[in-house]
Amino acid sequence: DSGVTQTPKHLITATGQRVTLRCSPRSGDLSVYWYQQSLDQGLQFLIQYYNGEERAKGNILERFSAQQFPDLHSELNLSSLELGDSALYFCASSVRAYNSPLHFGNGTRLTVT
Amino acid sequence: AQTVTQSQPEMSVQEAETVTLSCTYDTSENNYYLFWYKQPPSRQMILVIRQEAYKQQNATENRFSVNFQKAAKSFSLKISDSQLGDTAMYFCAFMKEAGAGGTSYGKLTFGQGTILTVHP
Repeated sequence: DSGVTQTPKHLITATGQRVTLRCSPRSGDLSVYWYQQSLDQGLQFLIQYYNGEERAKGNILERFSAQQFPDLHSELNLSSLELGDSALYFCASSVRAYNSPLHFGNGTRLTVT
Repeated sequence: AQTVTQSQPEMSVQEAETVTLSCTYDTSENNYYLFWYKQPPSRQMILVIRQEAYKQQNATENRFSVNFQKAAKSFSLKISDSQLGDTAMYFCAFMKEAGAGGTSYGKLTFGQGTILTVHP
């Protein structure tokens, strides 16, 4: 068990809808990352937060947004969902914003129908 | 930008034997970290081993060891005494080491993965 908690484990929704994925980092970790894993794109970095502030942005669509709250949990919001957004979404956390290994949650499997 | 390449989409090995997974990377950075992560069928991403680029000594974690060749930009993973529980997809990943300034140091860049199957 990595100590990173992601909910829900599975999510099935229709095109055009909006969903929220939640992540609680390991105790003591201040940095949170979001990754998308799909068959064709592999593991893609979406966004990083550190102690509530956005730290780095990757291949995150404008329809997606995220935030990290004062208690350090993070949420990833996906809106106007398309079939191509179906993927496994991982949250990871680390102690620092850099030079620290990432510890991953078990992921949220999103299926858009 | 960094790229990580795993040229072996699939590998298989008999239980108790040794297998080596390959990884190459491209970067202009001199200081960085390299990682191997394991993703079993349960889909959890598990950190296997970590290597700092400034260290010449290859990292070892029990049955897992790496062969880090900085000049060749190569980072292979050797699994000794393979076990059925080693069956998983293995990802090689790169992280820049933070220096003065910049904000893109924490993230990992992953290779496409190698599916390893251990046969009884």
